[in-house]
Amino acid sequence: QQQVKQSPQSLIVQKGGISIINCAYENTAFDYFPWYQQFPGKGPALLIAIRPDVSEKKEGRFTISFNKSAKQFSLHIMDSQPGDSATYFCAATRQGAQKLVFGQGTRLTINP
Amino acid sequence: GAGVSQSPRYKVTKRGQDVALRCDPISGHVSLYWYRQALGQGPEFLTYFNYEAQQDKSGLPNDRFSAERPEGSISTLTIQRTEQRDSAMYRCASSPFAGGPGDTQYFGPGTRLTVL
Repeated sequence: QQQVKQSPQSLIVQKGGISIINCAYENTAFDYFPWYQQFPGKGPALLIAIRPDVSEKKEGRFTISFNKSAKQFSLHIMDSQPGDSATYFCAATRQGAQKLVFGQGTRLTINP
Repeated sequence: GAGVSQSPRYKVTKRGQDVALRCDPISGHVSLYWYRQALGQGPEFLTYFNYEAQQDKSGLPNDRFSAERPEGSISTLTIQRTEQRDSAMYRCASSPFAGGPGDTQYFGPGTRLTVL
């Protein structure tokens, strides 16, 4: 059972553009939604995270939008840069469970 | 400071052999997690520990897989009688707070296991 579905699988954006990656979840008990960034040969690293008591969280050029009723959340990268080229994973977990349930990943390429 | 380290980074073994994968978490971190990541996929949970206690092993595929963390620090994931389908990247992560608010999992570089 795929509890977190992520799209698109791959995305190409021009430098300076907005990158948008979407995720949908099934388990309404999830209460913590992190996004991880992974560069080739490296482990995933936490980028930004949100809890369902807010609809949006912004950190620099990165914004998470959260829609609790639709069970969806998305990552927006503003003014995308070539250095943002990486694979991005959304994830979810719930209080007390600790384990993360990951989406399938999105390979993002920013063209210069 | 030092991050999560894993060894070996690459392991090639023949079908039927046992393998042991090691994880060194960030010093002082309470929780340690094991995930498996297939090529082009997100990490998939295997098991985790708080201190030396294994809290959840629901993700271990079958009884050939086991993990331990005897002193609450270094952990070993053991796969017995390896099969070709076990080939994957095995990632370890650690976190400081055992899932409390704001807890973050820090991932290691992984061990690439290839079973021939």
